[in-house]
Amino acid sequence: DVKVTQSSRYLVKRTGEKVFLECVQDMDHENMFWYRQDPGLGLRLIYFSYDVKMKEKGDIPEGYSVSREKKERFSLILESASTNQTSMYLCAIGTNSYEQYFGPGTRLTVT
Amino acid sequence: GEDVEQSLFLSVREGDSSVINCTYTDSSSTYLYWYKQEPGAGLQLLTYIFSNMDMKQDQRLTVLLNKKDKHLSLRIADTQTGDSAIYFCAERQTGANNLFFGTGTRLTVIP
Repeated sequence: DVKVTQSSRYLVKRTGEKVFLECVQDMDHENMFWYRQDPGLGLRLIYFSYDVKMKEKGDIPEGYSVSREKKERFSLILESASTNQTSMYLCAIGTNSYEQYFGPGTRLTVT
Repeated sequence: GEDVEQSLFLSVREGDSSVINCTYTDSSSTYLYWYKQEPGAGLQLLTYIFSNMDMKQDQRLTVLLNKKDKHLSLRIADTQTGDSAIYFCAERQTGANNLFFGTGTRLTVIP
């Protein structure tokens, strides 16, 4: 079974803080994704990475950056957190057979 | 475009069948997916169907695809209280790495 781990289940940060959300996979998959989930909007893609040091913007990259220094680890960075970034953040990996598996999610609250 | 639409809520009685519907707009969709999200958890891949198929059955789950109408449905037979969750439909387009998700349908099973 594919295992996707996210560093925190719940996080509370203050406006203006730098926030790191980390995602780790236990396999060797190239594709990794960061989504945010908001009620009534479903999941929206923030960024994805198709290999080490490779990244592409998704639909809503503004206010976020990412880092992929090692294949198993994909980090989402909020350079200066704002209240409209309060959300559930979900990491996923993509397999060669076109399946995506998700981590448990991080619920981030920015006050 | 990549609009994926679902109704937001569905209630059924325990033991009845549930049918969750999804429509999509992009005719280049290659794979269509159903995910389940239980409260406080990440998304669990339930099943997926390739666009050249029109039906897939897996135990209590039946997926029907009408490619002409761009309509996907998930039927859950003998619905149980443990099936209460949010169900997301998603599509993957030709050449894309990421998925486009619907808003999710919250299924409530009434005992």
